[in-house]
Amino acid sequence: ETGVTQSPTHLIKTRGQQVTLRCSSQSGHNTVSWYQQALGQGPQFIFQYYREEENGRGNFPPRFSGLQFPNYSSELNVNALELDDSALYLCASSVDQETQYFGPGTRLLVL
Amino acid sequence: DAKTTQPTSMDCAEGRAANLPCNHSTISGNEYVYWYRQIHSQGPQYIIHGLKNNETNEMASLIITEDRKSSTLILPHATLRDTAVYYCIVRQTGANNLFFGTGTRLTVIP
Repeated sequence: ETGVTQSPTHLIKTRGQQVTLRCSSQSGHNTVSWYQQALGQGPQFIFQYYREEENGRGNFPPRFSGLQFPNYSSELNVNALELDDSALYLCASSVDQETQYFGPGTRLLVL
Repeated sequence: DAKTTQPTSMDCAEGRAANLPCNHSTISGNEYVYWYRQIHSQGPQYIIHGLKNNETNEMASLIITEDRKSSTLILPHATLRDTAVYYCIVRQTGANNLFFGTGTRLTVIP
């Protein structure tokens, strides 16, 4: 059984560009949640996907969007990148909305 | 909004028990107490959770007071690899998000 995996591990983009981050959920998990963690702070909830539909969203603008695929993997897309988007992006998977298990994260740097 | 209060930092000697407190005085009857930890630059790691009974697993024990207004995470024999930020989170069953506060930075000292 594999855990949650994320790709890429690191990424550098420039302001105004777009980025796609990927997450493969743990085997048997059907729900994926995305979090943003700025340096020195705790993770903040972006949104959750359950059965390919968005199931709740935190206080993030529409330029943060996502997808979940039939195999329950997920993507996080961020358009029009801003310097403040530099952060560790974490994906967590769960069975329904139960205990969430996190991946290692993708570190995004926006220059 | 934060529903838990934790000390900012704690030290523990290697081999000793680490007791990490958490206050959650406004917890509701259907809210669980979850603990995660985050080792530097890694994703948060699930440790344990409970509703009202004490819980134990291979990583830790969770002691919840009878009134459920506070809890303590116990690492019975701390090692250097337990140095991390520990987050206490109150979560309603079925809720889609976890609210991470600032956590407790535990440093295990050789």
